Amino acid sequence: QKEVEQNSGPLSVPEGAIASLNCTYSDRGSQSFFWYRQYSGKSPELIMFIYSNGDKEDGRFTAQLNKASQYVSLLIRDSQPSDSATYLCAVNGNFNKFYFGSGTKLNVKP
Amino acid sequence: ETGVTQSPTHLIKTRGQQVTLRCSSQSGHNTVSWYQQALGQGPQFIFQYYREEENGRGNFPPRFSGLQFPNYSSELNVNALELDDSALYLCASTLPFSQEQFFGPGTRLTVL
Repeated sequence: QKEVEQNSGPLSVPEGAIASLNCTYSDRGSQSFFWYRQYSGKSPELIMFIYSNGDKEDGRFTAQLNKASQYVSLLIRDSQPSDSATYLCAVNGNFNKFYFGSGTKLNVKP
Repeated sequence: ETGVTQSPTHLIKTRGQQVTLRCSSQSGHNTVSWYQQALGQGPQFIFQYYREEENGRGNFPPRFSGLQFPNYSSELNVNALELDDSALYLCASTLPFSQEQFFGPGTRLTVL
């Protein structure tokens, strides 16, 4: 079992719609959860992080964390073609180890 | 764009050779992590350095080693290169008391 699982996609949504990206993790001791965006040929860039159960909003982005279900999600409201990228979920596990999922490719169609 | 820089941008080596990749952390960042990203995969954690000491390691063999210098720049060394080592190598730096990592542009290593 992988430490972090994501659906590889592609997830296709029309412009202006809400994109919902999901991630599950295996280490119950994980404390910190991150969402990164990676454009093709570029390095990952941090979108947001969440430490506590519940929702955290930052502009058009909302991260949701449910530690009991070991589930993290990212909602992107009013999706734009420029949001088309691969979204990586990352978890900070024990012993200062970071685990990334394989990423979900998002396509926002104009 | 972050202040993390990496060199070289691209590198071609042959199997069995050794390679050194370099990373210059963003100012004030005292923790650096190295990742290997194969095509179509997420980054895989190699190790992390904090104040010049290895502070965490992923499932990589000992032929992957690192150094962090007093100015917080860092090196990743890979000995006895294998074909499967072909990947994008990313370093990421972190501020003190933070877990937010900021990635450099990466070094694309090709092993022939």
